[in-house]
Amino acid sequence: DADVTQTPRNRITKTGKRIMLECSQTKGHDRMYWYRQDPGLGLRLIYYSFDVKDINKGEISDGYSVSRQAQAKFSLSLESAIPNQTALYFCATKDTVDAEAFFGQGTRLTVV
Amino acid sequence: AQSVTQPDIHITVSEGASLELRCNYSYGATPYLFWYVQSPGQGLQLLLKYFSGDTLVQGIKGFEAEFKRSQSSFNLRKPSVHWSDAAEYFCAVFEAGTASKLTFGTGTRLQVTL
Repeated sequence: DADVTQTPRNRITKTGKRIMLECSQTKGHDRMYWYRQDPGLGLRLIYYSFDVKDINKGEISDGYSVSRQAQAKFSLSLESAIPNQTALYFCATKDTVDAEAFFGQGTRLTVV
Repeated sequence: AQSVTQPDIHITVSEGASLELRCNYSYGATPYLFWYVQSPGQGLQLLLKYFSGDTLVQGIKGFEAEFKRSQSSFNLRKPSVHWSDAAEYFCAVFEAGTASKLTFGTGTRLQVTL
């Protein structure tokens, strides 16, 4: 099984719908991150969390919210999806000591 | 704020030729630097990382990178490219301390011709 699992892997949704992307990890890391990837823009940080009581906005948090339900679970929500949120979304985890980050396989989201 | 620049959006090399992908960073303290590769339809795989010590680091798949503080660079190299190396490559810098964020460059897409 993968260390960092994202569900769903692919999703098509309509404008205005609420959607949740889920991420779970088995690495026991405290820090979890959500990124989105757009062609030519690389990966941009949406939100990150150091533990269940600590949530921080990244550079592009508008239109998104997150929930850290447990150390192992970090969900990203789009309250009212819009077409320019169509992107590839990645979850990542990192140990507090070792700076290497581990990524999930990504969720491809299309908003029509 | 930290930033990463990958000046080459797209590079094409012939199989067997050498490769160098450029990466420049902006960060006040000693950086933690990474190169990731993303094959089509796949997630990100770590190629190599630099934390401290020897400035020439070896990674997987025959890749290496050299940290040059004076040039704020961390260029990725491979002596002989294989067709399977065609992918997108991302350089990233980690900001330690309370922020603890990983910032990525915009990526370089590598095409390999036979």
